[in-house]
Amino acid sequence: NAGVMQNPRHLVRRRGQEARLRCSPMKGHSHVYWYRQLPEEGLKFMVYLQKENIIDESGMPKERFSAEFPKEGPSILRIQQVVRGDSAAYFCASSTGTGVLANEKLFFGSGTQLSVL
Amino acid sequence: DQQVKQNSPSLSVQEGRISILNCDYTNSMFDYFLWYKKYPAEGPTFLISISSIKDKNEDGRFTVFLNKSAKHLSLHIVPSQPGDSAVYFCATGVSGRDDKIIFGKGTRLHILP
Repeated sequence: NAGVMQNPRHLVRRRGQEARLRCSPMKGHSHVYWYRQLPEEGLKFMVYLQKENIIDESGMPKERFSAEFPKEGPSILRIQQVVRGDSAAYFCASSTGTGVLANEKLFFGSGTQLSVL
Repeated sequence: DQQVKQNSPSLSVQEGRISILNCDYTNSMFDYFLWYKKYPAEGPTFLISISSIKDKNEDGRFTVFLNKSAKHLSLHIVPSQPGDSAVYFCATGVSGRDDKIIFGKGTRLHILP
């Protein structure tokens, strides 16, 4: 039973390029969360998605960032025109959607380390 | 504006002794509290949780204490083992259909031989 799979593990981009981060949730999970960890910072919530639906994107920067979770395929976090400040570890997590606080655990992937040159 | 504060960036504890990690929160609406553990180059993994209706939850060597009036919780690990060396994140939120977990900055625990 594979866990949450994120790829690539490491991604290097030059300023102005686009970054695409992929996340395949655990089998049976239909809810995906994206978190960002800046150096020396905690995990910051970005967006919470269900299949074909964004439930909460309150942590997502208003510009350049977008996320999707299509009916088929992985969830994608897309960062357009990357800047140095986007360099961070991006973690994806998944759940069944029954309640990650009271009813179940949140399972995290190993993250994508984005480096912007 | 941090809603979850872990004021100790790091902590060193002798193997076999007790490790105590602290966490403070600001929102009295939070009703579940969790601890996640993270090793380098890996994602966080769930460790233990407590609901706001309790003040203590124990799981083997790990115990979480909750003081609602002080908006404070702590994680006790006893006895501490070398494999406990990791970053520990305190996390919380308001339970409901659209759960969102808010994490602290983490405390790096070093277990000394």
